[in-house]
Amino acid sequence: AQSVTQLGSHVSVSEGALVLLRCNYSSSVPPYLFWYVQYPNQGLQLLLKYTSAATLVKGINGFEAEFKKSETSFHLTKPSAHMSDAAEYFCAVSGAGNEKLTFGTGTRLTIIP
Amino acid sequence: DTAVSQTPKYLVTQMGNDKSIKCEQNLGHDTMYWYKQDSKKFLKIMFSYNNKELIINETVPNRFSPKSPDKAHLNLHINSLELGDSAVYFCASSQVGQRPYGYTFGSGTRLTVV
Repeated sequence: AQSVTQLGSHVSVSEGALVLLRCNYSSSVPPYLFWYVQYPNQGLQLLLKYTSAATLVKGINGFEAEFKKSETSFHLTKPSAHMSDAAEYFCAVSGAGNEKLTFGTGTRLTIIP
Repeated sequence: DTAVSQTPKYLVTQMGNDKSIKCEQNLGHDTMYWYKQDSKKFLKIMFSYNNKELIINETVPNRFSPKSPDKAHLNLHINSLELGDSAVYFCASSQVGQRPYGYTFGSGTRLTVV
């Protein structure tokens, strides 16, 4: 069984500052890991995914994440926060067959002007 | 063209009523899902269908009945609605067996039971 834990239900950063959203996974098989973003009153949009190729994954809107097996982590980062980044971010994990995507509890990102 | 579309977007209904939410995908995917997002934003899978066959049925009250007439459609019927059913319901699709690119989600149906 797979699971993910997102540390910090709320994160606030100043505009222009580094964004770091934390995600740790637990999996009995090599995991596939994802970050999704949900803007207010909208559905979920895929930011990036790790599928056992490169450990540093680049996504949309300037976000990237690094898979670290030794730390069982897949933290999401962005060098410089924009006001438009304010949203809910979800880390998710699935097995090789992609049958079931299990989500973390989400992190709400607030950008301070 | 919307990849995964859900209707209605908003649904307000009284306790005890029966309602349905419809979902359609035009991506050619073979698997569709229903997820429930509660008031704390927690997302939990409810059902999954692969080529019209039920493959995941999490612990969901049997008042919830999914129906998949073909692999492009997955509807959710809810009987005897309760206050606790108020949530946002998301439909999603994927292609099982291929390299996992993640799911494509619909924009959600906000169900409010009063």
